Amino acid sequence: GESVGLHLPTLSVQEGDNSIINCAYSNSASDYFIWYKQESGKGPQFIIDIRSNMDKRQGQRVTVLLNKTVKHLSLQIAATQPGDSAVYFCAEGDWGFQKLVFGTGTRLLVSP
Amino acid sequence: DAGVIQSPRHEVTEMGQEVTLRCKPISGHDYLFWYRQTMMRGLELLIYFNNNVPIDDSGMPEDRFSAKMPNASFSTLKIQPSEPRDSAVYFCASSLRGSLSYNEQFFGPGTRLTVL
Repeated sequence: GESVGLHLPTLSVQEGDNSIINCAYSNSASDYFIWYKQESGKGPQFIIDIRSNMDKRQGQRVTVLLNKTVKHLSLQIAATQPGDSAVYFCAEGDWGFQKLVFGTGTRLLVSP
Repeated sequence: DAGVIQSPRHEVTEMGQEVTLRCKPISGHDYLFWYRQTMMRGLELLIYFNNNVPIDDSGMPEDRFSAKMPNASFSTLKIQPSEPRDSAVYFCASSLRGSLSYNEQFFGPGTRLTVL
């Protein structure tokens, strides 16, 4: 029979807009979270991370917000550019260990 | 640094054949991970090593899959015999415990495997 693939949620924005990508994580014991960006044909690339003792962390044009109460993580990209078009994954883990569990991803499409 | 190096970048083989994927981690990194990415299941961790020792292989699908790390600069993932459902992109990643971004894993470009 025909395989049913993962349906990646897609966020479409205009260049210059701010983008918000959301992620629900599963393990309440996770205390470390990372956002990765994956462009077509490439491996995932680190964007930003946050530990559970923080609720916000900022990088260059990106901000990660963590809400441990509802196990929710978000990635905000300011002034989105066409080069930001990619699939974005959140990953959760334990600060004491190197193993990460990746979410299913969100596709970001940026129109000029 | 050249980053994580994987070879081959593309592999097309026939069902039943043995496939060997290769990975060279970033020099000095002490963790190495093998992942599989498919449309059906997303990005899955297969196995990871610490200082060349396998730590967790619970993600290895079945006995047809095996992984080795004979030294700090080389690892292989072998599938024998291969099946069409093994078609996927296989990523290798490495990390360094104690680095500033503690759990940041650096990914290679991947090997796209097609089993006919």
